[in-house]
Amino acid sequence: GQQVMQIPQYQHVQEGEDFTTYCNSSTTLSNIQWYKQRPGGHPVFLIQLVKSGEVKKQKRLTFQFGEAKKNSSLHITATQTTDVGTYFCAGQRGAQKLVFGQGTRLTINP
Amino acid sequence: DGGITQSPKYLFRKEGQNVTLSCEQNLNHDAMYWYRQDPGQGLRLIYYSQIVNDFQKGDIAEGYSVSREKKESFPLTVTSAQKNPTAFYLCASSPRGAGASNEQFFGPGTRLTVL
Repeated sequence: GQQVMQIPQYQHVQEGEDFTTYCNSSTTLSNIQWYKQRPGGHPVFLIQLVKSGEVKKQKRLTFQFGEAKKNSSLHITATQTTDVGTYFCAGQRGAQKLVFGQGTRLTINP
Repeated sequence: DGGITQSPKYLFRKEGQNVTLSCEQNLNHDAMYWYRQDPGQGLRLIYYSQIVNDFQKGDIAEGYSVSREKKESFPLTVTSAQKNPTAFYLCASSPRGAGASNEQFFGPGTRLTVL
């Protein structure tokens, strides 16, 4: 079945450093979504990418969808302590259900 | 104030007992989902429902049961057949069915501990 792999599993950075998490699918996706879960909280939707090669920005966050629609990345520029949490990608293929990656847990040293 | 509610936030049960987790939404969403979250394993789909009185198994349905008698409600029962029930359970909903491209809205979760 469809699998979505996310790396790294953990990332610790100094405040102000950049952060990137990568998501890879075993199959071509119709869309990919990104969610953020704060410690002790629940996942919150960040963005959805649909088009091949699409790049979207939300302030310091940049989301990319690969040309082959099998991989995606989330890059945070100049991390802040408010960025702490676990970031999940979730891929969907056609009419099939959403499949979540394992998540990347980001911790930040202030 | 629209949203998804799950209760209780923390739940303790003895081994061998069935327990039902509630999930209610007032967003008028058609689809609802149950996920299980364990450390380092992300979110795994247990069951989902795209319409009232209909639901489908997800990837880890064994030992769980659900019902969808009302659009707003999608309770999950963790049965004694579930071998490792201790986990964080998240309910979610989305405006359209599971096959449509739309974001999922999550409830605050229930942390179940089986002693």
